[in-house]
Amino acid sequence: GENVEQHPSTLSVQEGDSAVIKCTYSDSASNYFPWYKQELGKRPQLIIDIRSNVGEKKDQRIAVTLNKTAKHFSLHITETQPEDSAVYFCAASITGGGNKLTFGTGTQLKVEL
Amino acid sequence: ETGVTQSPTHLIKTRGQQVTLRCSSQSGHNTVSWYQQALGQGPQFIFQYYREEENGRGNFPPRFSGLQFPNYSSELNVNALELDDSALYLCASSEGLESDTQYFGPGTRLTVL
Repeated sequence: GENVEQHPSTLSVQEGDSAVIKCTYSDSASNYFPWYKQELGKRPQLIIDIRSNVGEKKDQRIAVTLNKTAKHFSLHITETQPEDSAVYFCAASITGGGNKLTFGTGTQLKVEL
Repeated sequence: ETGVTQSPTHLIKTRGQQVTLRCSSQSGHNTVSWYQQALGQGPQFIFQYYREEENGRGNFPPRFSGLQFPNYSSELNVNALELDDSALYLCASSEGLESDTQYFGPGTRLTVL
């Protein structure tokens, strides 16, 4: 089955700096890669996703890149703000026939003032 | 916030007992997936229901079972509870098997003593 590894497990940045979280996946058939943000005690919220026919996607301060050959994808957050502090999860799945997500182990991002 | 709701929010059980968790999917969504999130870990796929039929199962023993009703709400049942079953149980709904995006509920925090 699919295996997703995520690094780093914790990340501390100064407000205004950029943050990068990296994930690798094992199943070359995976074609959908969402990122979820989970604040303490709350539900995971989808913040951005990318499909395998696209190499990069951007939404305001958040961007995701995908390298299918290397089987890795990354989340980039620019101009970080204190409200970006949360746990971020990457996931991978094969769409069609039901979308069963395999998650990484999470990155605790702390944005310091 | 998504339209996915779960009940109860918290639950305390003792080892060997049985528990039923409930999930109401977002309006128009006929697919529900259940995930187990242990403390400090990413969610792990338990199983998925599509139009009242199980559509895929993760690496969980048979004492984890589920059900989906005609209104697409769903239940997760766990028999013979073990200490390791203590976790946050999340359900996620989506529009159908061809839909990529999953919307998570707030979760049920289960503690097994």
